[in-house]
Amino acid sequence: DIVMTQSPDSLAVSLGERATINCKSSQSLLSFSDNKNYLAWHQQKPGQPPKLLIYWASIRESGVPDRFSGSGSGTDFTLTISSLQADDVAVYYCQQHYSAPLTFGGGTKVEIK
Amino acid sequence: EVSPVESGGGLVQPGGSLRLSCADPGFSVSNDWMHWVRQAPGKGLEWVSVVNTGGTTYYADSVKGRFSVSRDSSKDTLFLQMSSLRVEDTAVYYCARGGGFVVRYWGQGTLVSVAP
Repeated sequence: DIVMTQSPDSLAVSLGERATINCKSSQSLLSFSDNKNYLAWHQQKPGQPPKLLIYWASIRESGVPDRFSGSGSGTDFTLTISSLQADDVAVYYCQQHYSAPLTFGGGTKVEIK
Repeated sequence: EVSPVESGGGLVQPGGSLRLSCADPGFSVSNDWMHWVRQAPGKGLEWVSVVNTGGTTYYADSVKGRFSVSRDSSKDTLFLQMSSLRVEDTAVYYCARGGGFVVRYWGQGTLVSVAP
C-alpha cells in the first residue's frame, strides 16, 4: 500500500499570509503513460464533510478559489494557500488516486495566528 | 452541486451487521465510480471501498472479507453491507461520487457506532 505522510500536523498563519502544506508518498505517483501525478487535496471544515480542492496534483476543482494551488511531482507534493482567509480554517488531506487501496495523509490543521 | 445522501447508520453490537445506503440525486450510482470513506471520531479519513462503472470493487485491507459493496439499479442505490463489525469500525461513513479514483463529491455522512 502507498503510505501518505503530511507535514506539519498543524500550522497557524496570519490572515493574508501564505500557508504551505507538504505531502510525501512512499512511492511515485507519476504515471509515465500520461505524465500525470495522481495526487489530490481535500479540505474539511469543522463539522462538515470533506471537499475536493485539487486533483492530478495541480488541477483545481471547479469553483475553488485560485489562492489554492498544488505543486510537486513523483513523491513530494505541496498545497499552498497564497493569502490565508478566515474561511480557510480547516483540516487539509492529501490523497493518492494512483492505485487501490486509496490512501490519505494524516491531515494538516490550519488555524489563524 | 448535488451530493450523495447516505442513510442506515446506527448503533450495533460487536459482531453484528449493518447495511448503509447511498442515493445520488440527479445522478446514477451505476454510471459513476462510487466510494465509501470513513472517519473515526476525532481522526482522519480512511478510504473503505470503491465500485467502478463496470462493477469491479476494491476494498481496504481492514474491511476486506467483512464489507461488501453492491448496487440496486432499479432503486438507483448503492449499498455497503457491513458484517462482523468491530469497535474500531465506529466512524462516520461517507458516500462519495468519484472521477475514477479521485473522491470528488462527498455526502454528509452517516454515523455507525459499534459498542456492547
